[in-house]
Amino acid sequence: AQSVTQPDIHITVSEGASLELRCNYSYGATPYLFWYVQSPGQGLQLLLKYFSGDTLVQGIKGFEAEFKRSQSSFNLRKPSVHWSDAAEYFCAVGAPRVNTGFQKLVFGTGTRLLVSP
Amino acid sequence: SAVISQKPSRDICQRGTSLTIQCQVDSQVTMMFWYRQQPGQSLTLIATANQGSEATYESGFVIDKFPISRPNLTFSTLTVSNMSPEDSSIYLCSVAGQGYEQYFGPGTRLTVT
Repeated sequence: AQSVTQPDIHITVSEGASLELRCNYSYGATPYLFWYVQSPGQGLQLLLKYFSGDTLVQGIKGFEAEFKRSQSSFNLRKPSVHWSDAAEYFCAVGAPRVNTGFQKLVFGTGTRLLVSP
Repeated sequence: SAVISQKPSRDICQRGTSLTIQCQVDSQVTMMFWYRQQPGQSLTLIATANQGSEATYESGFVIDKFPISRPNLTFSTLTVSNMSPEDSSIYLCSVAGQGYEQYFGPGTRLTVT
């Protein structure tokens, strides 16, 4: 069964500094990988996704993520953090179910990003 | 991406009662999903709802506790039955996108006293 590990529960970054959030997954085949962001009191917003092809994917709000098969990682990055980026970030892995075709998403435990002035 | 709304946005309920959460999508979708996010936790899939068929429940979740309806391609409900304080969570519905991603509603924050 697939699983996702986000080793950092909290991360504090100064505004304007770069950011990297770690995500490691476990899945036997080529994974479908996602990053979501959840602001306080909000639902989840899809930042970016990886299915195949270029291992560096660009997302919304200036985020990018790099898929590294050898390390089973899909780390999220942003070159310059803004105060509005303070939120909870979830990495997720999915796998199509043969019978139904749909994909079950398994989420990591999340990383809370704090942005200091 | 689809626009998804949920009602209610939040509620405080007494133990032993039931609450029905509604999820409305602005376009027709084949699959809708219901997740639970317990305080400080990640999301856990409760069930998958297909229009015109019984919902498929994940391990640890049963229909008697979380009955789901899916009367058409734009609407679904999740009922949390015979609630206890342990059911206090955020409940989110989502729909599948064209590329296996899922789009989420704003969630329903439930507190059981």
